[in-house]
Amino acid sequence: DVKVTQSSRYLVKRTGEKVFLECVQDMDHENMFWYRQDPGLGLRLIYFSYDVKMKEKGDIPEGYSVSREKKERFSLILESASTNQTSMYLCASSSPTGTGNNSPLHFGNGTRLTVT
Amino acid sequence: GDSVTQMEGPVTLSEEAFLTINCTYTATGYPSLFWYVQYPGEGLQLLLKATKADDKGSNKGFEATYRKETTSFHLEKGSVQVSDSAVYFCAQRDNYGQNFVFGPGTRLSVLP
Repeated sequence: DVKVTQSSRYLVKRTGEKVFLECVQDMDHENMFWYRQDPGLGLRLIYFSYDVKMKEKGDIPEGYSVSREKKERFSLILESASTNQTSMYLCASSSPTGTGNNSPLHFGNGTRLTVT
Repeated sequence: GDSVTQMEGPVTLSEEAFLTINCTYTATGYPSLFWYVQYPGEGLQLLLKATKADDKGSNKGFEATYRKETTSFHLEKGSVQVSDSAVYFCAQRDNYGQNFVFGPGTRLSVLP
């Protein structure tokens, strides 16, 4: 079974702090994603990565950055946390489409971040 | 661009009732289609999938059939249980792309 592990379930940070959200997957997936989930807004893609050291902006990258130094780890960074970044953050991974099937996304359990 | 539309929730049913959650998609390519379920306080879990027209995905009593002619992938279950209370997301993935497009989610509450 694919396992995607997010380092924290709940996190409380202060405005202006630098915040790191960590995600690790154990299935050697090339693709990794960060989403945020807010009531009434569904899932919104922040950043994704197709390979080590590669990153692509999603729909709402402002205020965020990412790091992918190793294939299994994808970190989301809030450079200076703000209250409007209070949200549920979901990490996911998948195989690329070129592998001959359409691998689904596998999600972690999420990190609920509160910025005060 | 590609999109997924789901019926608005919340949906409230009594135990053992029949469930349908509608999902339609727009896509330029030939997507694979997925249903995910999210239980309270958890991430999304894959419920079922279908990769080509007329495929039927099924799992835990849930079914959905990939209908290319109507661009739909409706989720059904013959008899829901209280434990099925969750948020259900329909999603697509283009066969030529790497990203996924999600619907807004439909909250289901099943009452005993």
